[in-house]
Amino acid sequence: KAGVTQTPRYLIKTRGQQVTLSCSPISGHRSVSWYQQTPGQGLQFLFEYFSETQRNKGNFPGRFSGRQFSNSRSEMNVSTLELGDSALYLCASSLGGDSNEKLFFGSGTQLSVL
Amino acid sequence: LAKTTQPISMDSYEGQEVNITCSHNNIATNDYITWYQQFPSQGPRFIIQGYKTKVTNEVASLFIPADRKSSTLSLPRVSLSDTAVYYCLVGDLGSSASKIIFGSGTRLSIRP
Repeated sequence: KAGVTQTPRYLIKTRGQQVTLSCSPISGHRSVSWYQQTPGQGLQFLFEYFSETQRNKGNFPGRFSGRQFSNSRSEMNVSTLELGDSALYLCASSLGGDSNEKLFFGSGTQLSVL
Repeated sequence: LAKTTQPISMDSYEGQEVNITCSHNNIATNDYITWYQQFPSQGPRFIIQGYKTKVTNEVASLFIPADRKSSTLSLPRVSLSDTAVYYCLVGDLGSSASKIIFGSGTRLSIRP
């Protein structure tokens, strides 16, 4: 099985722009969650989607949004980028509902905001 | 949600056994203990998961005492490629990924 695929791998943007990141989960996985990782804050949960519905949301401003498509692929969008949004954005997929599931992570998108 | 405490960093040498201990005093009855490994610029990778006593797979062993207030990840005969950050997570993973909280992790450095 192919793993979790995130595109693009690297991205450079300037303040005020917006960005869209993509995540293709493992085939058959219905849950996709997004995380932001920075050296100072570590890994922080952004949101989770299951069957095209946002199931949970972390403590991030409304500039961060996401969606999930019928094929379980997910996108996250960050509008009005700030310097502090520079981070590694990770996507993880799981089956979505069974007890004690493993999360399978992609390699992430490294976003740099200049 | 059970908070976890791990050493910030550890050093060891190739061929040694490495034990990383995680404290989770407020672990709940339904919580499992899961360990992930992360290399730089990559996403975390599942290593092992357990509820009580001992779990062993091809990569590591997980020791959990009867009170479950701590756990120890044991990596046998480490190599340079085991240099990574190791995260201990505690939670009822069945409900939602949002309940999974990654702490600061333990940065393990293996030397030749």
